[in-house]
Amino acid sequence: GQNIDQPTEMTATEGAIVQINCTYQTSGFNGLFWYQQHAGEAPTFLSYNVLDGLEEKGRFSSFLSRSKGYSYLLLKELQMKDSASYLCAVIDSNYQLIWGAGTKLIIKP
Amino acid sequence: ETGVTQTPRHLVMGMTNKKSLKCEQHLGHNAMYWYKQSAKKPLELMFVYNFKEQTENNSVPSRFSPECPNSSHLFLHLHTLQPEDSALYLCASSQDRTGNTEAFFGQGTRLTVV
Repeated sequence: GQNIDQPTEMTATEGAIVQINCTYQTSGFNGLFWYQQHAGEAPTFLSYNVLDGLEEKGRFSSFLSRSKGYSYLLLKELQMKDSASYLCAVIDSNYQLIWGAGTKLIIKP
Repeated sequence: ETGVTQTPRHLVMGMTNKKSLKCEQHLGHNAMYWYKQSAKKPLELMFVYNFKEQTENNSVPSRFSPECPNSSHLFLHLHTLQPEDSALYLCASSQDRTGNTEAFFGQGTRLTVV
């Protein structure tokens, strides 16, 4: 079967750095997305990785290792507004999006 | 604002009611999706429309009936639902169905079946 694993919940401190991991076992791979979803709101696109390596976009970076079936989202200089759920999703060989259950990130002052 | 609008935002319905969820996008996208989001579970893809044609129905019970009258609008008709159908229903659109283009989501309809 196809599976995406990410931690259910993480807590971090304002101003710090946090890394949210995502591991996947899918039938093929055509890319990986990270989305952010604030409570009661729409998921919004953060990043897309299809090649190995680090993609940096401001305070957020996303890393991919296809050989390890692993990605992480790195958030720097955490702000209270970063409290949200972070969803990892993988495109399989049939171009189906397989979603993780999301990681709820709690930022404390 | 993501460019995808869903109405209503909240809906409470009895098990014998009939209601419809509406989704609208003016992003010029060709693919539209209905997802079900339950607490602490992955997003569940329900239906996919590509160029107004339904291309996927992921074993969704017949009490959920989608309709796509044009490339900008998508409906989900609901009838004789069960309490376990209570969830957040999200509509999304993307440029195409290849999957490697980002999806834009609406804010969802929070459905409660009583």
